[in-house]
Amino acid sequence: GAVVSQHPSWVICKSGTSVKIECRSLDFQATTMFWYRQFPKQSLMLMATSNEGSKATYEQGVEKDKFLINHASLTLSTLTVTSAHPEDSSFYICSAREPNRGPSTDTQYFGPGTRLTVL
Amino acid sequence: GENVEQHPSTLSVQEGDSAVIKCTYSDSASNYFPWYKQELGKRPQLIIDIRSNVGEKKDQRIAVTLNKTAKHFSLHITETQPEDSAVYFCAASKDTNAGKSTFGDGTTLTVKP
Repeated sequence: GAVVSQHPSWVICKSGTSVKIECRSLDFQATTMFWYRQFPKQSLMLMATSNEGSKATYEQGVEKDKFLINHASLTLSTLTVTSAHPEDSSFYICSAREPNRGPSTDTQYFGPGTRLTVL
Repeated sequence: GENVEQHPSTLSVQEGDSAVIKCTYSDSASNYFPWYKQELGKRPQLIIDIRSNVGEKKDQRIAVTLNKTAKHFSLHITETQPEDSAVYFCAASKDTNAGKSTFGDGTTLTVKP
């Protein structure tokens, strides 16, 4: 399957600081990337859809000024959690979709996730 | 929007037995239904998927069935092994929605040796 990487795998930061998480598709060009948030023992909650070269589409209830998404190239999307607070602590996972790859045009390949802990 | 419900939330079986996880969806336009396996602290991995023009698909010990009329699909794992223990998520998406998927809440499967 396709390979998607995320960096960092975990980060601990102080309240009020900003944290940037990178999502890269390593062996294919991802026209669309998705950012999810996952709380312990819960499902994947879609935060936003990131399309290369255009503004991200945020899901209802997700603050776009809080969670800044940039998809500057076909292989890289970044999520910046601005002015992080303890309630932002979570597991953030990205996924990438490349329409000509995989068993379906809708197949998503997930990154390994980033564990964010805000003190 | 789409709503996906998944049952049961937890499932415990004896090694060698079969496991069945069921999902229902609400949007009749959904046409792609993947299943993901997520081990603790790791990424979700696609294990099998099915499109709406197919009723059943099998890959070794794993099979998925789809009933479009009733809007439900199921994951079947036969001859379960301890390494099948994980959280399983179903999802639904449609071509017209740029690949955006709606996920079920997950099923924690425990296979007892």
